[in-house]
Amino acid sequence: KNEVEQSPQNLTAQEGEFITINCSYSVGISALHWLQQHPGGGIVSLFMLSSGKKKHGRLIATINIQEKHSSLHITASHPRDSAVYICAVRSRNTDKLIFGTGTRLQVFP
Amino acid sequence: GAGVSQSPRYKVAKRGRDVALRCDSISGHVTLYWYRQTLGQGSEVLTYSQSDAQRDKSGRPSGRFSAERPERSVSTLKIQRTEQGDSAVYLCASSSRSGQGRVLWGYTFGSGTRLTVV
Repeated sequence: KNEVEQSPQNLTAQEGEFITINCSYSVGISALHWLQQHPGGGIVSLFMLSSGKKKHGRLIATINIQEKHSSLHITASHPRDSAVYICAVRSRNTDKLIFGTGTRLQVFP
Repeated sequence: GAGVSQSPRYKVAKRGRDVALRCDSISGHVTLYWYRQTLGQGSEVLTYSQSDAQRDKSGRPSGRFSAERPERSVSTLKIQRTEQGDSAVYLCASSSRSGQGRVLWGYTFGSGTRLTVV
C-alpha cells in the first residue's frame, strides 16, 4: 500500500461543477503539498499546508492532521483546470518527499 | 529570484545520448530532490541529496542517473544513454532544515524540464 493515496485517479467534470480530490497518507508529516501539472508539463505549486485550510481564487485546500487526510476543492470548474493534480507529503521522520500517484482531471465545456 | 529555477525548459535528445539538466535552488536550502513525472507512472524519485555531501543519497538508485552539486544551490542531473522511456518532465525540489535537523518548512518546487527522447 502506498504511503500517500489519492482518489480518484481519473475525474471528468462539466464546466461549472464543484470538484474534490482527496489525499490520504499514513506517515507523520511536517508539510503537505498540492501540485498541478498541465499537459504541457510545467509544474505549479498550488498549496503547502501543515494545518487548517487555505484558499487561492477558486482553489481551496484543507488538511486534517488527526485523520491524515487532505482535500483539494475546485469551485466553478473550467476547462483550463484540466491537469494532473499531485499530492506530496514531507515525512516528519525521514524528511523525505513522498508523492501520491496523481489525479487526472478533465473538465469539459 | 526567490524560487527554484530549472533549465532548459524543453530538451530533445537522441536515444543513446547523454543529457544534463540544471536546477538552481534557493540559497541556504540543504535538501534537494530530483524526480520525474510521467503520465503513466506518476512521480518517481531519482536522487536525494544533502548539501553537506556532493555524493547522492539516492532514493531509487539507478546507474544511468546521477546528480552533482558543484555549488550548494546548483544541481545538475545527468542521464546517461537516454532511452525513450526517459521521456518525462524532470523536476527538482529543495528545502531548508535547521541546524538541529528539525524541519522548518516544506519544499519549493521548480517548474520542470520536459525531456523528449527520440
